[in-house]
This record gives sequence, C-alpha cells and structure tokens, in this order.
Amino acid sequence: LAKTTQPISMDSYEGQEVNITCSHNNIATNDYITWYQQFPSQGPRFIIQGYKTKVTNEVASLFIPADRKSSTLSLPRVSLSDTAVYYCLVGDARGRDDKIIFGKGTRLHILP
Amino acid sequence: GAVVSQHPSWVICKSGTSVKIECRSLDFQATTMFWYRQFPKQSLMLMATSNEGSKATYEQGVEKDKFLINHASLTLSTLTVTSAHPEDSSFYICSARNDRGSGYTFGSGTRLTVV
Repeated sequence: LAKTTQPISMDSYEGQEVNITCSHNNIATNDYITWYQQFPSQGPRFIIQGYKTKVTNEVASLFIPADRKSSTLSLPRVSLSDTAVYYCLVGDARGRDDKIIFGKGTRLHILP
Repeated sequence: GAVVSQHPSWVICKSGTSVKIECRSLDFQATTMFWYRQFPKQSLMLMATSNEGSKATYEQGVEKDKFLINHASLTLSTLTVTSAHPEDSSFYICSARNDRGSGYTFGSGTRLTVV
C-alpha cells in the first residue's frame, strides 16, 4: 500500500476555501485516492474518491495531477463544523487490498 | 447505503472482565472486516483483519489471545477484549469492505474505558 504524507495540522477561517495536499509518491497503477473525515469519537466518514484529474461532489473537490503522486482535497467555504481530522488513503477502490493503513492525517481547525 | 453498525458506542468495565464489541454490515455482505484502535490525538492503528469463516490475521504486536475476533457470518464480526486492563482503554473502530465503489465503510466506534 502506498504511504501517504499530509500536513499534521492546518488552521483556516469560516467561509474560506481550504486545500489539503497529500503526497503519495509510490502510488500503483490500480490505486485510487480516497479521503475520509473523522470527528472526535466517531468513525471515519467517506468524503471523496478519485483516480485522476478532478472529481467533485456536493461537499468537496479532489484534484489529482497527471503523475498522480499527490492529490489535493478542496473544501469550499468551510464552516466551524468542518473542524475534523482528514485522512488521505491510497489503495484499490474496490476494497481488494489486504488491509488499509491510515497515515497521521491532517487536523483541520476552522476559526470563526 | 453501505452502512456498518457498531455496538456498543461506549462501555465501562472493571479491570479483569471481558467486553464484546459487535460490528454489523446492515445492507451488504462483508466478507472482510478490519478492527482498529485509536488513542487520543492519534491515527487509527490496524489491529486485525477478520475474514468470514476463517481465523483473523493480527498485526504485529497485537495479542490474539487478548483480542478475540470472530467473524461467523457475512454480516457480523465481533471483537472481545479479554481480561481488560486500564491500558486497553481506547476507541475501537471496525470497518468493512463494501460493494458500493468507495471500498470501505466504518462503524461509529466504541469508547472502552476500563476502571
């Protein structure tokens, strides 16, 4: 499984756009990139998944450059409720990996 | 869709007793489930991989006799913390492979406090 590297923490203000970048230099051809959000005392929640270029859903966008060695999660107009830990995972989207290993994640703190 | 139900959400037990945590896939079959432990301000640490009908595979350093995992059906996996001690106090989370394209769905977690 590809190892990922993310900033440990980030601060931003309400209404701003937040971009969290994840490095995954050893990503394999069949790997997808998936981002999860975790609030305190809750399990991780799926946010978005992509393979290349750009993916957008109702809560976020995911930008993936052509070499796929990194990805950027973009949260538009964040609110206080977006304060959470965000994890970037790389692996087979269909769940065919033997196991999934979490990196340290990015602790995002939204300020009023 | 692809919901994983984990119970209980929190439990307090006395040192030396055993605690069972259940993880159920509600609307899909989960041949493989994963159990994680998370300490405060830290990431999820994989404890074991649970496969339906076979023995679980434990990560290095995880005591299989202390953390008993049973995956007897395609929708249920259980983790039993045997002879719990205060150092076992943690947040335990299960996850299951889903068939909905996103790969994995997580339970809501169980906060275990051993006193």
